[in-house]
Amino acid sequence: DGGITQSPKYLFRKEGQNVTLSCEQNLNHDAMYWYRQDPGQGLRLIYYSQIVNDFQKGDIAEGYSVSREKKESFPLTVTSAQKNPTAFYLCASTQGTAGNTEAFFGQGTRLTVV
Amino acid sequence: GNSVTQMEGPVTLSEEAFLTINCTYTATGYPSLFWYVQYPGEGLQLLLKATKADDKGSNKGFEATYRKETTSFHLEKGSVQVSDSAVYFCALRTGGGNKLTFGTGTQLKVEL
Repeated sequence: DGGITQSPKYLFRKEGQNVTLSCEQNLNHDAMYWYRQDPGQGLRLIYYSQIVNDFQKGDIAEGYSVSREKKESFPLTVTSAQKNPTAFYLCASTQGTAGNTEAFFGQGTRLTVV
Repeated sequence: GNSVTQMEGPVTLSEEAFLTINCTYTATGYPSLFWYVQYPGEGLQLLLKATKADDKGSNKGFEATYRKETTSFHLEKGSVQVSDSAVYFCALRTGGGNKLTFGTGTQLKVEL
C-alpha cells in the first residue's frame, strides 16, 4: 500500500543535540511538507519542497533544516538552535501544488527534550 | 494572508446527537476547503473537501458546504458515534499554493 512513513514514532533528545526525523513516501508525490503540532495551536509549516534538490522555509523554519536529495525522502533535522523542540511533528505530501490536491500525512513523530 | 478560524473545543456530545463544528476562513483568490480528522496519537486523514463555491463535500455521514458568501465551511453530522471522537481540523489551500493553512482544531468527545 502506498503511503507516508515517519520514523521513529517517539524520539527523545538531550538538550544541545541535533536529531533527524525520517519521512519516506512511496506515492510518487512531487511535494513534501513538514508541520509542527502543539496543543491549541493547530499545525504550523516548518519547511516544504516542491521538487528534488529544492526546498523553502515555512512559517517557523528557525532551528530546523531539511534536505531533498531523493523524491521519496524529506528528512527534518531539529538542531540545537531550536529553543523549544518538544512537539508532535507531521510529514505530508501532495501530488502537485494545485489548490485542490489532497495532502497525505504520516503517523507523526513525537519529540521530547529530556 | 490566508487564515482559518474554527470553534474552540472540546465539544462533548451524547451518542446520536447532531454535530456542528463551525469554520470560517479568509483567503486571497479562490481556495479549496478541507476537513481533516486526527485520531489520538496518529497523523491527519482527509475527511472531505470542496473545491468551489456551493460544493458539498461528504464522507462517512459528515457533510460540509462551501459558502463563499459567508466564507464558511461548517462540518455537520446528523448522528455522532463514540468512534467519531477525534480532533477535527478545517483547512484551506489556494490555487498554486504550496501549503495548507489549518485552523487550531476542535476536539470532539462523544459519550454513551
